[in-house]
Amino acid sequence: DSGVTQTPKHLITATGQRVTLRCSPRSGDLSVYWYQQSLDQGLQFLIQYYNGEERAKGNILERFSAQQFPDLHSELNLSSLELGDSALYFCASSRASNTGELFFGEGSRLTVL
Amino acid sequence: AQSVTQLGSHVSVSEGALVLLRCNYSSSVPPYLFWYVQYPNQGLQLLLKYTSAATLVKGINGFEAEFKKSETSFHLTKPSAHMSDAAEYFCAVTLNFGNEKLTFGTGTRLTIIP
Repeated sequence: DSGVTQTPKHLITATGQRVTLRCSPRSGDLSVYWYQQSLDQGLQFLIQYYNGEERAKGNILERFSAQQFPDLHSELNLSSLELGDSALYFCASSRASNTGELFFGEGSRLTVL
Repeated sequence: AQSVTQLGSHVSVSEGALVLLRCNYSSSVPPYLFWYVQYPNQGLQLLLKYTSAATLVKGINGFEAEFKKSETSFHLTKPSAHMSDAAEYFCAVTLNFGNEKLTFGTGTRLTIIP
């Protein structure tokens, strides 16, 4: 158990819809990262938040957005969903204490039909 | 920009045999390198990391990796494979230690043959 909690574990929805994925980081971790894992793209970095502020942005589509709340949990919002958005979305957290280690949740598997 | 290339998307070894998973990096400056493992239906877990302190790095579960600058490689090895090693392994790189925005390789699925 990494200590990172993601909900929901599985989500099935239709094209055009909007979903929200939630992540609770490990206790004390200030950084939250979102990654997308798909068969064709592999593991792609989406976005990073540190203590409520956006720190780094990767290959995140404009239809996607994220935020980190004062209690440090984070949400990833995916809108106008397309078939190609079907993937496993991972949240990871770190203490930002120069350990270089990310702690990953078990992921949210999104299926867009 | 930094990147890592994992040679071989699938590797099969017999139980008790040597495990060798290959990773080559591309970076204009000294990188920080990592190996993560993903067991079925789980998130990624750190196996080991290279942070320039020592070129031979030992990790969990008997794995180790050697940083070779001349070969731009960071291959993962284990002397004797165990059935429980069956998983997907990812090499990752960052240039800024403390900024864990890692760039991952495409992964290598390791199968252990009984």
